[in-house]
Amino acid sequence: TQLLEQSPQFLSIQEGENLTVYCNSSSVFSSLQWYRQEPGEGPVLLVTVVTGGEVKKLKRLTFQFGDARKDSSLHITAAQPGDTGLYLCAGANAGGTSYGKLTFGQGTILTVHP
Amino acid sequence: DAGITQSPRHKVTETGTPVTLRCHQTENHRYMYWYRQDPGHGLRLIHYSYGVKDTDKGEVSDGYSVSRSKTEDFLLTLESATSSQTSVYFCAIRKTGGSAGELFFGEGSRLTVL
Repeated sequence: TQLLEQSPQFLSIQEGENLTVYCNSSSVFSSLQWYRQEPGEGPVLLVTVVTGGEVKKLKRLTFQFGDARKDSSLHITAAQPGDTGLYLCAGANAGGTSYGKLTFGQGTILTVHP
Repeated sequence: DAGITQSPRHKVTETGTPVTLRCHQTENHRYMYWYRQDPGHGLRLIHYSYGVKDTDKGEVSDGYSVSRSKTEDFLLTLESATSSQTSVYFCAIRKTGGSAGELFFGEGSRLTVL
């Protein structure tokens, strides 16, 4: 069974601060995805990283995939109250028998105070 | 918008009663999934389907069954609901042609078993 350990579980910061969320595993994934979820809604895909060492930027969000494809991080610069939500990482395995199944981390609840 | 509709969105039931949750998609994608979300556990896969009448178990399948008689509908059944099945249930699809397993989620069905 593959596991993804996500940390921290809770993060409460002031507007303008920077933060980093980590997603770690002992398993190798073919790709890793980050989702954001707001209360009462389903998770929404933010980004997918596929190549070891890959860095992707989405406005103030920077996503990195570890060189060994076992870990990933999400860095938010100058957080805003609109960034508040639950952030989930999820690892995927390629291959005919994987059927697109994802392994999710436990999630990070981010609260950004004005 | 991935054209996913879950019903019912909210349900309260008693222990021992059967419950069926429905997931309907409008885009004829092959892969569909049922996840449950509980605090501290992220999203855990219950069952998935890779085609009409083709289904398989996920990591937390005990107490659940599924059926897929049409491409557009994926049903999750709790034959005899228990309090431990109180959760938020999400249906997801993997879009055809997606290379990295990205999922698109419905809005969730909140189930309370008394």
